[in-house]
Amino acid sequence: AQTVTQSQPEMSVQEAETVTLSCTYDTSESDYYLFWYKQPPSRQMILVIRQEAYKQQNATENRFSVNFQKAAKSFSLKISDSQLGDAAMYFCAYLGYGGSQGNLIFGKGTKLSVKP
Amino acid sequence: EAGVVQSPRYKIIEKKQPVAFWCNPISGHNTLYWYLQNLGQGPELLIRYENEEAVDDSQLPKDRFSAERLKGVDSTLKIQPAELGDSAVYLCASSFSFGVYNEQFFGPGTRLTVL
Repeated sequence: AQTVTQSQPEMSVQEAETVTLSCTYDTSESDYYLFWYKQPPSRQMILVIRQEAYKQQNATENRFSVNFQKAAKSFSLKISDSQLGDAAMYFCAYLGYGGSQGNLIFGKGTKLSVKP
Repeated sequence: EAGVVQSPRYKIIEKKQPVAFWCNPISGHNTLYWYLQNLGQGPELLIRYENEEAVDDSQLPKDRFSAERLKGVDSTLKIQPAELGDSAVYLCASSFSFGVYNEQFFGPGTRLTVL
């Protein structure tokens, strides 16, 4: 079974600084997707960034980028120029191509605080 | 375009009472998901529908939980009777399933408190 581990329950960053959130996963599949979701206090889960496992190039979305290390099964999120609105819970998630297709598997999340 | 709609946003009930949550997916989305999110945890899938068919309900506690999606559009998740441990957020998501990757869009969830 696939698992997703986020080892940082809480992180803090100064406004305008850079922060990196860690995620590791375990799978025997070769093709899959990885995601970072943001969940603010409103509870609405918002997709931040997506990475296809077959792509070697790391995904980037404006201030958000990932460091995808397939062999190490590591998938970290870097937030540059942090803003107050980035404060939220961040969840790493896995989606398989095979039998688990359609079922997102989430980590426990990292609570990010942004200090003004 | 409207997102995934869920109601109610909050629900407080006594234990052993029944409760129901409603979800209306994004128009045209044929796949609907119900997730359970306990405090301090990530969401966990309860049930996934492809149109009217429940294609994965392996994590749904069928002794007290039930769900339906009669016309392949909106869905209802029911708990009867509720227990203290059911206090959590219940999230609904939907996607348009075509091809390998189907982005899931989430609703705001229903926060259930069982007293």
